[in-house]
Amino acid sequence: QVQLVESGGGLVKPGGSLRLSCAASGFTFSDYYMSWIRQAPGKGLEWVSYISSSGSTIYYADSVKGRFTISRDNAKNSLYLQMNSLRAEDTAVYYCARTDYRRAFDIWGQGTMVTVSS
Amino acid sequence: DIQMTQSPSTLSASVGDRVTITCRASQSISSWLAWYQQKPGKAPKLLIYKASSLESGVPSRFSGSGSGTEFTLTISSLQPDDFATYYCQQYNSYFTFGPGTNVEI
Repeated sequence: QVQLVESGGGLVKPGGSLRLSCAASGFTFSDYYMSWIRQAPGKGLEWVSYISSSGSTIYYADSVKGRFTISRDNAKNSLYLQMNSLRAEDTAVYYCARTDYRRAFDIWGQGTMVTVSS
Repeated sequence: DIQMTQSPSTLSASVGDRVTITCRASQSISSWLAWYQQKPGKAPKLLIYKASSLESGVPSRFSGSGSGTEFTLTISSLQPDDFATYYCQQYNSYFTFGPGTNVEI
């Protein structure tokens, strides 16, 4: 079945780095755009980053621009988010989501928790 | 940047009620609007895309309408499984979510 599984979350100190991964299965990964979306504890949803199917087009939210890098490996059916210079306000559950130009975020992973704290 | 607002922020309702949630965009987004349902500890689930298209597998008691800057999500007869938080989201220009509406008993 169509599935996205995130991994790589954890506890990191302010200023530290973390790399999230998202493994896709059940669909042709290389045909789809992908995104990362996060949700701080008790808060709403915030879009973080988007990457086109080939990886040639990338967008970031202003809140993470210059600190986060999205990438993908279509041969490995995987999406990544490299997070540098982490701040307390980056603490959140991070979701990867399949992104369709008509159907928006149609498939979501279960999320991985990132906690930035000293 | 396009801003999204939702009203109400919290909605108290009973099983069988007709429920309407409103979403407004700060500028026209045509019909590029989606609605999601999220339950505690779970990932959001797509309900409606392109303002009024029902996602496959979603019960027909959910419907969406609107275009431009004003949109609504309607649940025709609220069921016990529908108590959750609902988010609208624009995808006309990048992506922006509304603040959410908590539908509670």
